[in-house]
Amino acid sequence: AQSVTQLDSHVSVSEGTPVLLRCNYSSSYSPSLFWYVQHPNKGLQLLLKYTSAATLVKGINGFEAEFKKSETSFHLTKPSAHMSDAAEYFCVVRGQNAGNMLTFGGGTRLMVKP
Amino acid sequence: DTGVSQDPRHKITKRGQNVTFRCDPISEHNRLYWYRQTLGQGPEFLTYFQNEAQLEKSRLLSDRFSAERPKGSFSTLEIQRTEQGDSAMYLCASRGGLDYGYTFGSGTRLTVV
Repeated sequence: AQSVTQLDSHVSVSEGTPVLLRCNYSSSYSPSLFWYVQHPNKGLQLLLKYTSAATLVKGINGFEAEFKKSETSFHLTKPSAHMSDAAEYFCVVRGQNAGNMLTFGGGTRLMVKP
Repeated sequence: DTGVSQDPRHKITKRGQNVTFRCDPISEHNRLYWYRQTLGQGPEFLTYFQNEAQLEKSRLLSDRFSAERPKGSFSTLEIQRTEQGDSAMYLCASRGGLDYGYTFGSGTRLTVV
């Protein structure tokens, strides 16, 4: 079975400062990992995905994540936070059974202060 | 609109009533998923369809829950004899066969009073 743990339920940063959202995974196989963002009253939007290609993955809106097998981590970063980045972020692992169901972490709420 | 549509957006119902939600996936996507998201939590898998066949069901899906995808296109999720614990956001996602991309709808928020 696979799982993901998001280490911080809330993160608060000032606009223009770096963002770090932490995620550790557990998997018995080489995982496919994703980050999704959820704005209030909006659907889940894919930020980026790792599927065993390059370990540094670039996503939309300036976000990127690095897959580190030795640390079983897939942390999400952004050099400079924008007010519009305030949202809930989910780290997700894809299952390898026939349905490839997604398993979500508990989420990290990012708050951006002006 | 080529996204995943869910209807209704919001539903308030009295405990013990039955409710039904609808999901219209992206037309060329043969895989469809239902998830449930309670307040402050990540979404949890409920059930999965490939075309019209329901291939996986979570233990979360009690016998009061039933899902269908009769023609391999839209899907419905019915909850019978609703309980307050059923209050949640119900999310639908679809996916094409060879694509890793899952497209989520905006969800149906259920409140049981």
